[in-house]
Amino acid sequence: QITLKESGPTLVKPTQTLTLTCTFSGFSLSTSGVAVGWIRQPPGKALEWLALIYWDDDKRYSPSRKSRLTITKDTSKNQVVLTMTNMDPVDTATYYCAHRLSGSLPPSFDYWGQGTLVTVSS
Amino acid sequence: QSVLTQPPSVSGAPGQRVTISCTGSSSNIGAGYDVHWYQQLPGTAPKLLIYANSNRPSGVPDRFSGSKSGTSASLAITGLQAEDEADYYCQSYGSSLSADVVFGGGTKLTVL
Repeated sequence: QITLKESGPTLVKPTQTLTLTCTFSGFSLSTSGVAVGWIRQPPGKALEWLALIYWDDDKRYSPSRKSRLTITKDTSKNQVVLTMTNMDPVDTATYYCAHRLSGSLPPSFDYWGQGTLVTVSS
Repeated sequence: QSVLTQPPSVSGAPGQRVTISCTGSSSNIGAGYDVHWYQQLPGTAPKLLIYANSNRPSGVPDRFSGSKSGTSASLAITGLQAEDEADYYCQSYGSSLSADVVFGGGTKLTVL
């Protein structure tokens, strides 16, 4: 079965860079059609898509966040890493990684991690 | 402000039918892009409820159905149950933003 789990710091200071890791099992990011995305949700607010990486290393970013985001994959470790620079208190949110339903366009996400709450505060 | 507009809240009594709308534009839903729906129970991760407008993943009850017409999509829930109380999000493509993924603002369903 497919599982995903996010890990990283729970607290970061303003201006710092956030690095989150999504460790997954039950699928391979070297398989054609597979993709993993990052979505976040500020407390009490709506979901916001951040980034997506495909099996062929195609990377897609939210246009409004693109300048601050980098998504990478390590196929051998079954991990996807998201970095976000210049963190601000408004970036306080639960960050989720999710598996793309194969073949779905626009991508839909059929398996999600439990999420990790990141607080940005000095 | 999302490019996909949902009502902030809807409500219904147990057993009733409710619908949640998702209004887009000619650059996303109206351009033919699929709409997906998610259910988020309190304190949990979202769950894919409907994909590609009207398809249910395995395990999703047939009380949940989706449709799309023109620049809008709808999620219908029949035989409303207390456990359906949750936030619901639509999702599609945001071509006007060049965004592969856009979510609606979410709708809080209250079961009276």
